[in-house]
Parts: sequence; C-alpha cells; structure tokens
Amino acid sequence: DADVTQTPRNRITKTGKRIMLECSQTKGHDRMYWYRQDPGLGLRLIYYSFDVKDINKGEISDGYSVSRQAQAKFSLSLESAIPNQTALYFCATSDSPGQGAREQYFGPGTRLTVT
Amino acid sequence: LAKTTQPISMDSYEGQEVNITCSHNNIATNDYITWYQQFPSQGPRFIIQGYKTKVTNEVASLFIPADRKSSTLSLPRVSLSDTAVYYCLVGPMDSSYKLIFGSGTRLLVRP
Repeated sequence: DADVTQTPRNRITKTGKRIMLECSQTKGHDRMYWYRQDPGLGLRLIYYSFDVKDINKGEISDGYSVSRQAQAKFSLSLESAIPNQTALYFCATSDSPGQGAREQYFGPGTRLTVT
Repeated sequence: LAKTTQPISMDSYEGQEVNITCSHNNIATNDYITWYQQFPSQGPRFIIQGYKTKVTNEVASLFIPADRKSSTLSLPRVSLSDTAVYYCLVGPMDSSYKLIFGSGTRLLVRP
C-alpha cells in the first residue's frame, strides 16, 4: 500500500464550487505539505503543517484553506474554485528535525480541472 | 533560500553517464543540496542529498566542490526509465517546508 495517498485522483468541477482534496499518510510523519504544479513548471508550496495544531501559509495560499484533522490527514479546500486553479496538486510528508535526511515523500497527485 | 540554476533540458542515450550541473552561487553555510526526480504525472522522488565533497547511493552520485557554489548529479549508465525531470534544491535542513523546486532539468534518454 502507498505511504501517501490522495483522493480524488482526478476531479473536474465548475467555477464557484467548493472542493476538498484529501491526503492521508501511514509514515507516521508530523509534517505535511500541499503543493500545486502547473504544466512545465516546478512545484509551489500552498500550505504546510508541522503538527496537528500548526498550520502555515506557503507562497501561494490565496484562494485555498487547509485542515489537519489528525497526524495522518491533511485536507486542502478550494472554497470557490476558479479556472486558474486548474493544476496538479501534490501532498507530501516529512520527518521532524533531527530525524536525518530531510526528504519529503510525495503522494500520487490530484489532477484538478476547473471549468 | 539560495536560488538555483539548471539547464532546461538534456539529451542522452541508453548506457551513457549523465551529469546534470546546478549552480547555487548564494548558498549559505547551513544549506544542504538535494536532488529530486519527477516522472510525468507523479510526485517528485528524493534521489540524493549532500553538504560537501561526494555522496553516493545506489541510484546516483552527487559531487560538490569545495566552494559549494555548484553541484553535479551523476547518473551512471542511464536507461530509458531515467527519462524524467530532475530538480536541484538548496536549503537548510531545519526548514524543509520551504522546498523551492524551480523548473528543473528535463532529461530525455534515447534508445
């Protein structure tokens, strides 16, 4: 089973709709992240969370909100979707400081299309 | 965080060694260098990380000169399945939440 899972994998929605993307992890990591990737570009950080009570904005948080329901779950919401939020969304996790190499483990991605 | 510069794309053939160089002139003393690989429509995957000199694992080697202003990812004997985008990232170990990916290097391995 995958360590980091995302649901749904693909979603088409209409402008103005609210949509939630969900991420679950079985790695036992404290830190979780949401990124978006536009075609031909690198990933940009939307939000990150160091633990259940800690939520931080990334470089492109406008138009998005998140919820850390448990250590293993981190959800991303688009309150009122707009077409320029069409992108590939990735969730990732990592260990806390002092746990060695600081690699992030990424989920398979959610392809979101807003029409 | 230090800005990185990589070639936009590279071509190679199966069985060749591929070296991708990343420039990071403003690297800070406590910054580490990390490389990720991304296949189309998949999340990035950690390849290797280093601070100085040379690091080797089962997948790749990372060469970092003494001034640390650049680094080279070396992929030995590439295969078609190594076709991917490779990202060089630079940052301190205690702020991994601010990974800045940039556009990466698109490696195409030909038969």
